[in-house]
Amino acid sequence: EAQVTQNPRYLITVTGKKLTVTCSQNMNHEYMSWYRQDPGLGLRQIYYSMNVEVTDKGDVPEGYKVSRKEKRNFPLILESPSPNQTSLYFCASSLSFGTGGRPDEAFFGQGTRLTVV
Amino acid sequence: ILNVEQSPQSLHVQEGDSTNFTCSFPSSNFYALHWYRWETAKSPEALFVMTLNGDEKKKGRISATLNTKEGYSYLYIKGSQPEDSATYLCAPTGTASKLTFGTGTRLQVTL
Repeated sequence: EAQVTQNPRYLITVTGKKLTVTCSQNMNHEYMSWYRQDPGLGLRQIYYSMNVEVTDKGDVPEGYKVSRKEKRNFPLILESPSPNQTSLYFCASSLSFGTGGRPDEAFFGQGTRLTVV
Repeated sequence: ILNVEQSPQSLHVQEGDSTNFTCSFPSSNFYALHWYRWETAKSPEALFVMTLNGDEKKKGRISATLNTKEGYSYLYIKGSQPEDSATYLCAPTGTASKLTFGTGTRLQVTL
């Protein structure tokens, strides 16, 4: 089954304790991205990746890191989480993206609800 | 960052009613417009991706139109059903190669 898989689904952690949220897709998609969803705000992009070893900042990258060593995986790393990073996080992938390519739809993971206390 | 506005913020209709909502976005540097349906406790799912001015897309009782010159898209739902209850998100993409989501229209359909 074609899907984007995020883990964990729920996480409660303490301020400053490094954590990683994993994201994996099995559709051979080139483009992957991370979003956070907060009440009253739309999905905001944190980081995106156009292909392996190619990553770039989205609109709210502060406090986050990503890596894209393999096409299928795009983990989100919080080196020192803070309470303002409490949010609902989504990973998404699409076949390709941007001008010059077909504007393919994004497939979203199930979401990770993170609470930092 | 693109300024994307969706209206209304929320909508409450009766089963069988037809409804529509609006997505407004800057018309400059436009590349594509995405519509997603997001049910509570689930992930957003794509409804349509539209690129051309005047585009019309349809999927069952849901359809969408696009006006890239004036920067808006309409989503229509004909004969709303309780299972249509969800938040509908639009996301234009420009030359920056990324989606910018609106805050969504939350639709609730009651019997």
